[in-house]
Order: sequence, then structure tokens, then C-alpha cells
Amino acid sequence: DTEVTQTPKHLVMGMTNKKSLKCEQHMGHRAMYWYKQKAKKPPELMFVYSYEKLSINESVPSRFSPECPNSSLLNLHLHALQPEDSALYLCASSQGTVIEAFFGQGTRLTVV
Amino acid sequence: GQNIDQPTEMTATEGAIVQINCTYQTSGFNGLFWYQQHAGEAPTFLSYNVLDGLEEKGRFSSFLSRSKGYSYLLLKELQMKDSASYLCAVRGPGGSYIPTFGRGTSLIVHP
Repeated sequence: DTEVTQTPKHLVMGMTNKKSLKCEQHMGHRAMYWYKQKAKKPPELMFVYSYEKLSINESVPSRFSPECPNSSLLNLHLHALQPEDSALYLCASSQGTVIEAFFGQGTRLTVV
Repeated sequence: GQNIDQPTEMTATEGAIVQINCTYQTSGFNGLFWYQQHAGEAPTFLSYNVLDGLEEKGRFSSFLSRSKGYSYLLLKELQMKDSASYLCAVRGPGGSYIPTFGRGTSLIVHP
């Protein structure tokens, strides 16, 4: 199993809603991370979890709240988002000794 | 900080060879990745260079010159399915293997 699975694939939410994005991998990777990608732009790193602990937060607004319940799961909780937060949110994982990072297919988020 | 520069867009003909260049400036270089991303899909890993020289993998090759802060991705025998964005990335925060991406080069292959 070399997959990173993200749900949902598409999400439309209002600015007052609370929603969560989910990411799952069963490759035994101990580093998991969230990227945000706007159209025609490269992915931008948001958060990194290493061994289920938040190790990197790239100055992301507090309306984005990550959570790593266990070594296979990574969530991104969303609250009071703005329309400019609409983007593709990518989850990825890697193992420290393995170079390749595996990406999920992403959640296409639209904030209305 | 890190600064990665690549051309925004390139076009090439099916069957041809194309070279996508990437220059970078980073504090403490630890390695450079190339990823491919088709529209609407996840990035997929192509190559990783940490030492100077050429790494060949089938139709794709990647070159690195650390002294020049320069890399290129060479695609041979281009196919229509190679139309995608090619992302140059350096090794991320704390020396991790987490890629920090450049803006990407959109390659269009036409018949």
C-alpha cells in the first residue's frame, strides 16, 4: 500500500462553518504534512508532524488547526475561513530514511 | 531562506528532448528534488540529487551542480502524457526530506 488517502475530495463551506479534512496512510511513515496549493502555483508547506508531534508550523493562521490522532491519521480542522483560503489542500507523508514523499490526491476546498 | 527559480512555461514537440532548468539559493543545501504534477492531481516524485552530476532514470534524467546552484530535468522521447507541471524543490526545514517547492514549469507537449 503506497497510498495517501484524503477525504473529502471536494468541500464547499461557508465562512461561519467548521469542517475537517482527513488524511490517512498505512505505509508506516512517521512524518506527515499539509500543503496548500492555489491554482497555477506550487504547493506551500503549512504544517509538519513528526512522530505525531507538531514540528513545523509555517506561520499559518489559527483558523487552520492540525491534529495527528495517531501515526496513520492527520486532520486539518477549519473554522471561520475566508474566501481566499479556497485552494487544493494536499496531505503528504514520508519516512525519515526514504527520500520520496507520497502525496494524496488533495481536497479541493471552496469557501463561500 | 530559500529562493528557487524556474521558467513558467515551456512547449515541445512529441518525440523531442526538453530540458527544464532550475536555479536555487538556499542556506545550507541538502538535496534537490524534481516532482511531476498533472493538472488536478497530486505531485509524484521523479528524482533526487544531492551530489554533482547526472542521474538517469529511463526517459528522465536530472543534473545537479552545487557550485552553480543549478539543476535541470531532461526529458527524452517526449510523449503527450508528459504534459504536466514540473516542480523543482529543495530539501525542507531542518534538513528533512520534506520538499519546499519552486513555482513549477508548465510543460506543454504538442503533436
